[in-house]
Amino acid sequence: GQQLNQSPQSMFIQEGEDVSMNCTSSSIFNTWLWYKQDPGEGPVLLIALYKAGELTSNGRLTAQFGITRKDSFLNISASIPSDVGIYFCAGLTTSGTYKYIFGTGTRLKVLA
Amino acid sequence: GAVVSQHPSWVICKSGTSVKIECRSLDFQATTMFWYRQFPKQSLMLMATSNEGSKATYEQGVEKDKFLINHASLTLSTLTVTSAHPEDSSFYICSAPLAGVVDYEQYFGPGTRLTVT
Repeated sequence: GQQLNQSPQSMFIQEGEDVSMNCTSSSIFNTWLWYKQDPGEGPVLLIALYKAGELTSNGRLTAQFGITRKDSFLNISASIPSDVGIYFCAGLTTSGTYKYIFGTGTRLKVLA
Repeated sequence: GAVVSQHPSWVICKSGTSVKIECRSLDFQATTMFWYRQFPKQSLMLMATSNEGSKATYEQGVEKDKFLINHASLTLSTLTVTSAHPEDSSFYICSAPLAGVVDYEQYFGPGTRLTVT
């Protein structure tokens, strides 16, 4: 199935550092969602983006909807150990029927 | 936020048997629900879109006769894995979109770990 490309695939950072990850696509999306998944659990919605160029924050998290509508970025400031997990982007495609396409994921590990 | 539940959270079954997984939206109605499959260390792959009152829409490569989906009410969708085989062992997750003013935010259930022996 179709997937969005996320980078980096994984990253190790020190507690307190800022984190940046991005998601790119060859297709245009009208909505971008960012999720965090802990092992053995379902993804939890972090941020939803609806307009090109939109910048939205949720606590220490900030996400942006790319101007071209083909990419999105997620930043985490001052990381803490509980930020560890896998972060997924998802794009909503409305061609035909509504469905979400997921990114390949960024695995984050925070070193205390 | 909207709450989606799944049952069971894990199940072990023997090869050749069928397993039913339930997905419920607890505090909102969902005319559409999505079923995903996730293998270890991989992303979520959409299997099918469950539509209340009509047939499910399956993604390319997903066998509709093997993965039976029923969306019996506005709060319940079920996925039945028929004649399960070890290669069907996976993490199955459902989601339901919460309709908003502009677009749809999607909320996930906690997932069901299926192990076929």
